[in-house]
Amino acid sequence: TQLLEQSPQFLSIQEGENLTVYCNSSSVFSSLQWYRQEPGEGPVLLVTVVTGGEVKKLKRLTFQFGDARKDSSLHITAAQTGDTGLYLCTGGTSYGKLTFGQGTILTVHP
Amino acid sequence: GAGVSQSPRYKVAKRGQDVALRCDPISGHVSLFWYQQALGQGPEFLTYFQNEAQLDKSGLPSDRFFAERPEGSVSTLKIQRTQQEDSAVYLCASSSRGQGNYGYTFGSGTRLTVV
Repeated sequence: TQLLEQSPQFLSIQEGENLTVYCNSSSVFSSLQWYRQEPGEGPVLLVTVVTGGEVKKLKRLTFQFGDARKDSSLHITAAQTGDTGLYLCTGGTSYGKLTFGQGTILTVHP
Repeated sequence: GAGVSQSPRYKVAKRGQDVALRCDPISGHVSLFWYQQALGQGPEFLTYFQNEAQLDKSGLPSDRFFAERPEGSVSTLKIQRTQQEDSAVYLCASSSRGQGNYGYTFGSGTRLTVV
């Protein structure tokens, strides 16, 4: 079983602060994806990274895939209250089964 | 449809009751997944369909759980003789591709509460 560990599990910060969420595994994944989930809704895909060392930016969000394709990080610059939610990383297998980390609950206070 | 639709959004069942949860994937999507999610946790894999074929059901927690997708589109997750530990959000996701490297579209889920 491929396991993904996310850290921290909980993060409570003030608006305007920066933060980083980590996703680590002992297994190699063909791809890693980050999702954001709001209460009462399903996860929404933020980004997919497939190449070791890849860096992708989505406005204030920066995603990095580790060189060995075992880990990833999500960095948010100048967090806003709208960034509040559950952030999930997932690793994809060749046929598509997604293994999720336990998630990071981010709360951004005004 | 434009997105993945799940029904009902909320279901309260008495312990021992059977329930059926429906998922309408995006039209034409080949792959369909069911996940179970506890409050504040990441989703846990239940089962996977490629068209009408159930290729992986290793995540179904017991033989009380059964899923089908007879025509390769709509899927139903059935739970027989519900127990309190079955209380969770059940998420359905679909993708146009047969492989998982490109992300899935999730429905809003069905919140099941067993009392």
